[in-house]
Amino acid sequence: DVKVTQSSRYLVKRTGEKVFLECVQDMDHENMFWYRQDPGLGLRLIYFSYDVKMKEKGDIPEGYSVSREKKERFSLILESASTNQTSMYLCASSGNTIYFGEGSWLTVV
Amino acid sequence: GQQLNQSPQSMFIQEGEDVSMNCTSSSIFNTWLWYKQDPGEGPVLLIALYKAGELTSNGRLTAQFGITRKDSFLNISASIPSDVGIYFCAGSIKAAGNKLTFGGGTRVLVKP
Repeated sequence: DVKVTQSSRYLVKRTGEKVFLECVQDMDHENMFWYRQDPGLGLRLIYFSYDVKMKEKGDIPEGYSVSREKKERFSLILESASTNQTSMYLCASSGNTIYFGEGSWLTVV
Repeated sequence: GQQLNQSPQSMFIQEGEDVSMNCTSSSIFNTWLWYKQDPGEGPVLLIALYKAGELTSNGRLTAQFGITRKDSFLNISASIPSDVGIYFCAGSIKAAGNKLTFGGGTRVLVKP
């Protein structure tokens, strides 16, 4: 079975903190994605990556950056967390089909 | 940009009923995917469709990739309480790196 693992399920961070969300996939997929999911707004793409060290902006990249140093790992970085970044963050990876991790609930206070 | 219209937004189902939901798009997709999301969890892939006209089943679930490539439906037969959740359709195009465009979701609730 494909496994996409997000390192933290629940985090509480303070405004201005730097936040790292880690995602690892075990299927040697080239494509990886970070989404955020908010009530009434659905799933929105933040960043995606086609390959190691490659990244592309999604629909809402502002306030975020990403890192893909190894094929299996895709990290989402909030350089200075703000309260409007409180959300559920979903990592995904794809070959022919896209698989999601379990989600990371981030609360910024 | 591309948009997916998913309907209905929500539905109450009676245990044992068959239910149906669908998605339509303004653009063509190469792949249609259906996911279910339980509260607090990530979406779980139910069915993937890769060819226009394809009809695929997964247990009590059946989904079809529309001939025009602009729509898809999902049927649940003989619904049970654990079918409660949010169902999302998603379309992707390989040329766009398999980026997904999501429907707004159908929230399925069971009548008491």
